[in-house]
Amino acid sequence: GAGVSQTPSNKVTEKGKYVELRCDPISGHTALYWYRQSLGQGPEFLIYFQGTGAADDSGLPNDRFFAVRPEGSVSTLKIQRTERGDSAVYLCASSLGARHNEQFFGPGTRLTVL
Amino acid sequence: GEDVEQSLFLSVREGDSSVINCTYTDSSSTYLYWYKQEPGAGLQLLTYIFSNMDMKQDQRLTVLLNKKDKHLSLRIADTQTGDSAIYFCAAQTWSGGGADGLTFGKGTHLIIQP
Repeated sequence: GAGVSQTPSNKVTEKGKYVELRCDPISGHTALYWYRQSLGQGPEFLIYFQGTGAADDSGLPNDRFFAVRPEGSVSTLKIQRTERGDSAVYLCASSLGARHNEQFFGPGTRLTVL
Repeated sequence: GEDVEQSLFLSVREGDSSVINCTYTDSSSTYLYWYKQEPGAGLQLLTYIFSNMDMKQDQRLTVLLNKKDKHLSLRIADTQTGDSAIYFCAAQTWSGGGADGLTFGKGTHLIIQP
């Protein structure tokens, strides 16, 4: 596609529920990044994929957060037992590859946990 | 880990130059970026500079890097109302696996006075 797309654009859920957020990177981009942006803050790095494997997951806050990229393209961020503190905009970015620095961001998914 | 700091607000008059400042802590940062975020829109990559450069100019944008002081600035010449946005500074290191995730500042709100 022309840019990074993310679905859904908005997600409202109840505390304790499970959610999945999807990211479609720019076609041909092998590197994919997830970030989280809380209100009034800059984006915070969560996890980075090169191809199908997670090259760096040091930013995931705890084991309730998990992400996959089984075929090296679309990625899903999964959050179990959601908490109110998980409410934020979840951003996805992609770049041509590990040796390319420019990251292009999607519009984000706004997650609200009630 | 890396820490990136920016002032939260900058107010300038239309037609004047805007200078947004940023400091970072990790001297091994390889690339430094400026992103723009308008209300309801995604993060837009404006420009970036490689750590072995001290200046980069791109039309109305000038980036200055003082690597010794770990200080980065973005100058916008002839500021227009369309430049009103939040500007994020971000730093990136490169590990053995390639380009790491970005570390962002909290963003500077640029306010344009008529």
